[in-house]
This record gives sequence, C-alpha cells and structure tokens, in this order.
Amino acid sequence: QSVLTQPPSASGTPGQRVTVSCSGGSSNIGRNSVYWFQQLPGMAPKLLIYLTDQWPPGVPDRFSGSVSGTSASLVISGLRSEDEADYYCAAWDNSVRGWVFGGGTKLTVL
Amino acid sequence: QVQLVESGGGVVQPGTSLRLSCVASGFTFSTYDMHWVRQAPGKGLEWVAAISYGGNEKYHIDSVKGRFTISRDDSKNTLYLEMTGLRTEDTAIYYCTKGRASVRGAEFDYWGQGTLITVSS
Repeated sequence: QSVLTQPPSASGTPGQRVTVSCSGGSSNIGRNSVYWFQQLPGMAPKLLIYLTDQWPPGVPDRFSGSVSGTSASLVISGLRSEDEADYYCAAWDNSVRGWVFGGGTKLTVL
Repeated sequence: QVQLVESGGGVVQPGTSLRLSCVASGFTFSTYDMHWVRQAPGKGLEWVAAISYGGNEKYHIDSVKGRFTISRDDSKNTLYLEMTGLRTEDTAIYYCTKGRASVRGAEFDYWGQGTLITVSS
C-alpha cells in the first residue's frame, strides 16, 4: 500500500489530453514539492517534472504538473504512442522523514 | 555527461550481507545529495535511502533501518549501500540516483541502470 495513491491505469488516443492523478496528505503533497517520473519497459525511470511544475532539460512541455491541496496531477497533452509507459509521483513526507512514491499508473495509448 | 554505474548485485541467501556501489561521473559528486531507490520485480518504485552532500545527514526507509546503511566516499566519487540481514522482500533492482545541490535543484534527475539483488534460499 503506497502512501501516495495513483490510479493503476489510464488510457488515451493519439493527440488527446490525459491526466494522471496522485493523492497524498498534509505531510507530503500538502507541504512539499511533487516529482513525476516516466518509466519505459525495461528502462530506468526518467525525471519528467520536479518542484511540482518545473521541467528538466529535454522534457517537452506537453508534460505539465500541478498541485491542488493534497493532490497532484500530471497532464500529458498531444498524446503520442511513445508516451506509453508507467508514471510515478513522489514527494518528501515530513511524518516518515523520507521520500514516498505512488504505486504507479500504466498509461496505454490506444 | 552524467553517469551513474551501480555494481554489487547478485543472488544471495536470506540473512547474508552485500554492499552495493555506485560510481558517479560527469558532475561534482561531493556537492550533491544522493539516493538509492529500488523496484521489486513487477512492482513500483520505492525510495530506500538518501545521504546529503558531505554525508552528515542520512535517511533510510523504516523497513531497512538497522539493516541497511547509506554512505559515500567523495574521494572516489562513489555511493554505497551496505546491506545486512537481507530478506526475500529485499529482492529488487536497486537504482542509484542523483540528488540536488541546492533548494531549487532537482532531486532524482539522473539514474543508473540499476543492479539486481535476488534474495532466495
């Protein structure tokens, strides 16, 4: 059982806008920045969003992050076939004094 | 370019010990926090431990406290994870990942390829 809750799956067709949610609490998302990662099959995770809404170099702005209260969202606009991957959220948790991850969302591009 | 290369994985029996290493290059290792993150087969990501630049602050997930210890040798640009009392539930790919150097920097911005530990009798 992950501290951060993500839907196990999501899907969309090419060109669509898809949202992946991440629900937490006052000790993590409610107080700290959120990170998002993309993991392609058989590969190491890749940082997509840091400090809730910042892009690392090379990440397209089709990916965007936001927070409302204790929930975070990753929005993927203009969905492409190569976006088919697992997506994870993470945040520092003040209660456990460690980083907590969501269980991951498997995105399928139909 | 930033590179993180893990080593030390393998197949071990429950209760034994193992040390993972991660050699870093392409950045000033001594000025960055560092992390270990693991992924059990077919499962999600789980943060394991973090160490601050300078090594003064260390954090471990509760399930490994007292068994695993993160450390670093800045003279060798190397991050370590000393693992004792290994359990079957520790079976996972262990990733070394780069932390940040400042409050406005990015944690987890570079990852190694991972090293697999299988704990089995």
